[in-house]
Amino acid sequence: DTAVSQTPKYLVTQMGNDKSIKCEQNLGHDTMYWYKQDSKKFLKIMFSYNNKELIINETVPNRFSPKSPDKAHLNLHINSLELGDSAVYFCASSRMGGRTNTEAFFGQGTRLTVV
Amino acid sequence: GENVEQHPSTLSVQEGDSAVIKCTYSDSASNYFPWYKQELGKRPQLIIDIRSNVGEKKDQRIAVTLNKTAKHFSLHITETQPEDSAVYFCAARGTGKLIFGQGTTLQVKP
Repeated sequence: DTAVSQTPKYLVTQMGNDKSIKCEQNLGHDTMYWYKQDSKKFLKIMFSYNNKELIINETVPNRFSPKSPDKAHLNLHINSLELGDSAVYFCASSRMGGRTNTEAFFGQGTRLTVV
Repeated sequence: GENVEQHPSTLSVQEGDSAVIKCTYSDSASNYFPWYKQELGKRPQLIIDIRSNVGEKKDQRIAVTLNKTAKHFSLHITETQPEDSAVYFCAARGTGKLIFGQGTTLQVKP
């Protein structure tokens, strides 16, 4: 059973298109994240949702819009894709709060290539 | 804002030697410090973590130390093996988010 699954694994698209990446976790966690990993391997947090509510929104362009229909899902929609959006996007989940903090489990990543 | 600095960015050791990676964090509210290993083309996976009420933790060849006063924490890998070659990330959880260091590419030469 996959703990955190995201689709698609690979995404190649043209500049200007709109695309979505889906993420689901079956761990019963209350917090989900999106990270962007660029060519230099740096894992930069983009968004964090706790119990379907946005709690962290780092400085990312408005073209990126997360949607959390329920605690188990956090999707990422990207409008008007640009060349600089090319990266690997990781979804992750954890349990957060006080002494019950858990490790973050990552999805397998989505390699987005904008041409 | 919150920041985690990680050093060195690359580390090359001979098989059997020890490797040490160091991190510092800025958010004094941080209370959870995991370390992740990422092999080429794969997802980051937790290898060890430590909470703020503990100074040291060991798991076989891997150990982590935490100095809350200095806001430092370190990963120690002893008796390195070629399969330890990967990118290692430290992270710190403060108020609501898990912030990662820049990563250390560890190469273990046979």
